[in-house]
Amino acid sequence: GENVEQHPSTLSVQEGDSAVIKCTYSDSASNYFPWYKQELGKRPQLIIDIRSNVGEKKDQRIAVTLNKTAKHFSLHITETQPEDSAVYFCAASNGYGGSQGNLIFGKGTKLSVKP
Amino acid sequence: NAGVTQTPKFQVLKTGQSMTLQCAQDMNHEYMSWYRQDPGMGLRLIHYSVGAGITDQGEVPNGYNVSRSTTEDFPLRLLSAAPSQTSVYFCASSYFGGRTETQYFGPGTRLLVL
Repeated sequence: GENVEQHPSTLSVQEGDSAVIKCTYSDSASNYFPWYKQELGKRPQLIIDIRSNVGEKKDQRIAVTLNKTAKHFSLHITETQPEDSAVYFCAASNGYGGSQGNLIFGKGTKLSVKP
Repeated sequence: NAGVTQTPKFQVLKTGQSMTLQCAQDMNHEYMSWYRQDPGMGLRLIHYSVGAGITDQGEVPNGYNVSRSTTEDFPLRLLSAAPSQTSVYFCASSYFGGRTETQYFGPGTRLLVL
């Protein structure tokens, strides 16, 4: 089955700097790659996702890139702000229904943005 | 819409006790799932359902049962609680799997097994 590795496990940046979190996946059939943000004590919430027919996607200060050949995808946050501090999870699925729609999550990255 | 709701928010059990964690969604989503979250382990899939009457095992199903008699409800049952089941449990739903739709998570249930 699918396995998702996420690095780093913790990341500390100064406010205004950029942050990059990287994930690799094992199943070449995976085609959907979402990123979730989880603030302390809260539920995970989707912040951005990308599908295998797209190499890059941006939404304001966040972007995700996908390299299907290398089987890795990354989250980029620019101009970080203290409210970006949270745990970020990447995930992958082969989303054509049934069990293939299950999301397999990485172990998370705790991002701390220092004012 | 209330979205995905979970009860209780917090529960303490003694080893060997059983209990049911409730999950409901009012978005007419076909797909529902249960995850457990442990420090440093991310979110691990316990069981999932692709529709009423259909359930299957995820990555870590041992010690848990589920049923899906309606589209709205997807309860998770702990048959005989063990300290290793101390965790935060999240229910999630989406229109169909992770294919085209966001998975919406419930607020979570924090379970402590003594």
